[in-house]
Amino acid sequence: SQQGEEDPQALSIQEGENATMNCSYKTSINNLQWYRQNSGRGLVHLILIRSNEREKHSGRLRVTLDTSKKSSSLLITASRAADTASYFCLSGSARQLTFGSGTQLTVLP
Amino acid sequence: DGGITQSPKYLFRKEGQNVTLSCEQNLNHDAMYWYRQDPGQGLRLIYYSQIVNDFQKGDIAEGYSVSREKKESFPLTVTSAQKNPTAFYLCASSELAGVIGTDTQYFGPGTRLTVL
Repeated sequence: SQQGEEDPQALSIQEGENATMNCSYKTSINNLQWYRQNSGRGLVHLILIRSNEREKHSGRLRVTLDTSKKSSSLLITASRAADTASYFCLSGSARQLTFGSGTQLTVLP
Repeated sequence: DGGITQSPKYLFRKEGQNVTLSCEQNLNHDAMYWYRQDPGQGLRLIYYSQIVNDFQKGDIAEGYSVSREKKESFPLTVTSAQKNPTAFYLCASSELAGVIGTDTQYFGPGTRLTVL
């Protein structure tokens, strides 16, 4: 399988602004997950949205899913310097796991 | 203190040598995974296991081997057949093994392998 696409590859914003990153995938999915990775560390699960859901919220995170376009977006509101990290989407279907190439987010204080 | 551990954090090996990366979890998870990450890129699946004594190839299994003799452990061997082994290796586990790819994964801190 090939990796999904994420855009932008890099995003730099000021603290307090919102950050939006997008993920596209290639095959039908059961769910889509978003993960965060601090430099040189393992990934941490942020949120999971099922294929029959269109939008989900968790704290300052808002995820949308459009299965007709095979795409998802992650919105981080009121960003903080501590949100600086790489963000990856994982599209999951039976016997297939595909991570996106990631968005590097930098939040400037 | 539950979690998933990987050792060592940094590993150096000479060309032509096999090396084994450790991954242990005490979360009682059925499924375990190995990924490779190259600089500035996403993760690619090497192998995964849904149950003891069984494992499946991922997208880039060539040059790697695994074993799953115990539920808690899923070691990865990088063999000399792997042409470009220098990378960051991440192990993960998930609770449910029924439908791979649908469950939240918990990641270890990773092992950075450098081939000299």
